[in-house]
Amino acid sequence: GQNIDQPTEMTATEGAIVQINCTYQTSGFNGLFWYQQHAGEAPTFLSYNVLDGLEEKGRFSSFLSRSKGYSYLLLKELQMKDSASYLCAVRDRNTDKLIFGTGTRLQVFP
Amino acid sequence: EPEVTQTPSHQVTQMGQEVILRCVPISNHLYFYWYRQILGQKVEFLVSFYNNEISEKSEIFDDQFSVERPDGSNFTLKIRSTKLEDSAMYFCASGRGMDEKLFFGSGTQLSVL
Repeated sequence: GQNIDQPTEMTATEGAIVQINCTYQTSGFNGLFWYQQHAGEAPTFLSYNVLDGLEEKGRFSSFLSRSKGYSYLLLKELQMKDSASYLCAVRDRNTDKLIFGTGTRLQVFP
Repeated sequence: EPEVTQTPSHQVTQMGQEVILRCVPISNHLYFYWYRQILGQKVEFLVSFYNNEISEKSEIFDDQFSVERPDGSNFTLKIRSTKLEDSAMYFCASGRGMDEKLFFGSGTQLSVL
């Protein structure tokens, strides 16, 4: 089975940097995804890591350590519109489905 | 950019009634999924569909649920006899390949009264 843990809520200030952590246990790892979800809307893809290291995409970066079962999403130069839930999702080897964590609700204050 | 479309956006039904939720996945995608999200809870996997058959289903996806790809474009989720606890946002998703990201539709909010 799979278990995915991430903090329930975080707050940060506009312009700051925030790091959202995700730990996972899985029987066979085949990729970790980060999605953003605004309230009442669909999840939208942010990043994908399958190998160890940092993937950078504009203001957002995602890091993966497979040996530690750990990932983080780093958001720089926070904007008010970044207030949303951030979902960590893991894919097992030999399956095509994504399993989602409970999500981290981020609130950005002025 | 191509997108997954879902209809209707909202569906209200009486307990025990049948509902069909409709999805049009992205046209060159081969893997199709239904997820649901009960208010305030996490996105839960229901079923995956590939090559015209179910490839995997969760324990939520019991005999009341079925999926169909009746033609080359539509992908439907049917709930035969709805229960109060089926009230949730239902998301359709599609992916180009097994290792690729999923694109989600905007969801159908199902309310069972």
